[in-house]
Amino acid sequence: GQQVQQSPSSLVLQEGENAELQCNFSSTATQLQWFYQSPGGSLVSLLSNPSGTKHTGRLTSTTVTKERRSSLHISSSQTTDSGTYLCAIGSYGNEKITFGAGTKLTIKP
Amino acid sequence: DTTVKQNPRYKLARVGKPVNLICSQTMNHDTMYWYQKKPNQAPKLLLFYYDKILNREADTFEKFQSSRPNNSFCSLYIGSAGLEYSAMYLCASSREISGNTLYFGEGSRLIVV
Repeated sequence: GQQVQQSPSSLVLQEGENAELQCNFSSTATQLQWFYQSPGGSLVSLLSNPSGTKHTGRLTSTTVTKERRSSLHISSSQTTDSGTYLCAIGSYGNEKITFGAGTKLTIKP
Repeated sequence: DTTVKQNPRYKLARVGKPVNLICSQTMNHDTMYWYQKKPNQAPKLLLFYYDKILNREADTFEKFQSSRPNNSFCSLYIGSAGLEYSAMYLCASSREISGNTLYFGEGSRLIVV
């Protein structure tokens, strides 16, 4: 089945620094979604980006489909960005959406 | 309205007692999912409904049941809770089975004692 690896598992930065999160997956994906999990536990969709580059606010996701990898770049990080970032992969015709274990991001003031 | 609502948000249950978690969405989505999330682990798919068809994961087949009496509503039922069931339970919906954005509820945190 699909395997999703996220790196790093944890990342500590100072406020204002940029964060780079990686997601690698084992087989072809037609769906890729980045989520933010708040300390309270709920999941919020950040970006859906199965290929190419997408921007929203301070977030930029770049997915290289043939290399089976995606990145999430957070510019000018803020303390409120702290939390866990999850990558989820799906394939057309395969109903299972597989998650990575996440990157725990801590932004220090 | 793109929200998925879950109830209860928090549930404390005794070992051996049943637990029923509820999820609803008003987006007319075909597919509704239940995931289990434990700290430092990836969300684990438990089961999903595509329309009225229930699909359960093989390794959790006997542990969880579900019903979907209408398009908007889906429940997750644990007949006899064990300590290992303590987790966050996340409900999600999407317009079709695959290739579409997942929308998650805020989760139901279950603590079994």
